[in-house]
Amino acid sequence: DAGVTQSPTHLIKTRGQHVTLRCSPISGHKSVSWYQQVLGQGPQFIFQYYEKEERGRGNFPDRFSARQFPNYSSELNVNALLLGDSALYLCASSLGQGFGQPQHFGDGTRLSIL
Amino acid sequence: GQQLNQSPQSMFIQEGEDVSMNCTSSSIFNTWLWYKQDPGEGPVLLIALYKAGELTSNGRLTAQFGITRKDSFLNISASIPSDVGIYFCAGQPPTDSWGKLQFGAGTQVVVTP
Repeated sequence: DAGVTQSPTHLIKTRGQHVTLRCSPISGHKSVSWYQQVLGQGPQFIFQYYEKEERGRGNFPDRFSARQFPNYSSELNVNALLLGDSALYLCASSLGQGFGQPQHFGDGTRLSIL
Repeated sequence: GQQLNQSPQSMFIQEGEDVSMNCTSSSIFNTWLWYKQDPGEGPVLLIALYKAGELTSNGRLTAQFGITRKDSFLNISASIPSDVGIYFCAGQPPTDSWGKLQFGAGTQVVVTP
């Protein structure tokens, strides 16, 4: 069975541009979370979506937004890119959003801002 | 920023040795998770812990959920070269934000033959 898939794997943008990252969860999983991982640090929570609704938001500016589609796939959008947005963006899925449902991660999208 | 204190930051060990790392927090968690991340890949779930005091094994890996719910440790026995990587602890807070995992900064493990 396919795990969490993310696209693209790598992306290079310049400051001020906009980017859309995509995630397909494990089949049957209805919850998707997004994380930002800066080099040398652990992932930082950005958003969680469950049944197409936002269920949690981390401490990120409004330039970051996301949505979940009826097939449970998800997009992360970042506007007005800054140099500091350079990071690995990870998507994780779980069956639901309740206790005892661990998150499984994709391999991420490496975003570089020039 | 990080709310979990993970130690050590890195460790250099010889093949066959045991490895121990831990994670502490100032707040309680309902769930502790341990992940391993290899270069260019996403974190892979190793062990999930759901109950204070719980001790769980996965092959050569053993992890425990601290009684206070504020800490957890991971042991790797008889290390082998493929144990190389960065190990992360993650806690799931007892709030309605089930998806909001908080991660430690990671422990980098290097295994020498």
